[in-house]
Amino acid sequence: LAKTTQPISMDSYEGQEVNITCSHNNIATNDYITWYQQFPSQGPRFIIQGYKTKVTNEVASLFIPADRKSSTLSLPRVSLSDTAVYYCLGLAAGNKLTFGGGTRVLVKP
Amino acid sequence: DAGVTQSPTHLIKTRGQQVTLRCSPKSGHDTVSWYQQALGQGPQFIFQYYEEEERQRGNFPDRFSGHQFPNYSSELNVNALLLGDSALYLCASSPGGYSNQPQHFGDGTRLSIL
Repeated sequence: LAKTTQPISMDSYEGQEVNITCSHNNIATNDYITWYQQFPSQGPRFIIQGYKTKVTNEVASLFIPADRKSSTLSLPRVSLSDTAVYYCLGLAAGNKLTFGGGTRVLVKP
Repeated sequence: DAGVTQSPTHLIKTRGQQVTLRCSPKSGHDTVSWYQQALGQGPQFIFQYYEEEERQRGNFPDRFSGHQFPNYSSELNVNALLLGDSALYLCASSPGGYSNQPQHFGDGTRLSIL
């Protein structure tokens, strides 16, 4: 599975857009890029997944350039409840998930 | 529609004891994976079960074993507990064996070793 690199932490303010970029230079052809959110003492929660270009759902957007060596998770208009750790992973069919350290996002009032 | 459920939520054991953790996957899911998450770190893959067999295994010793039942539920067993086994143990389920469908996680079992 692809090794991913993402910032250790980011601070933001309520109402702002938060963009977290993840590098995955050796991502395999069949890997999907998957993002999870985790609050303290809870399991990771699936946010969004994509293969290329742009994917949008009710909570986030995922931008993946043509070379697929990076991806950007965009959280529009964050609130205090979006304070969490965000993980970027490569997902191959049926394979295990390899988590890195994630990005700790702190949303301030 | 119930998601992934794990039991118990908390557990305290002493060194050398054995423990069994349980997981019921999300409805419609047949693949179960187990992860160990130490404080302040990302989850680490232990193993994955599909069709009642261990399909993949991470870098964990044989003290960690598991089982999957015909109803797709699963157990994680850890023998000869060490202080370093203190962690949050997460179960995740996904559908369809080798699909690209994302895994859905339970909220874990917090295991403390004294």
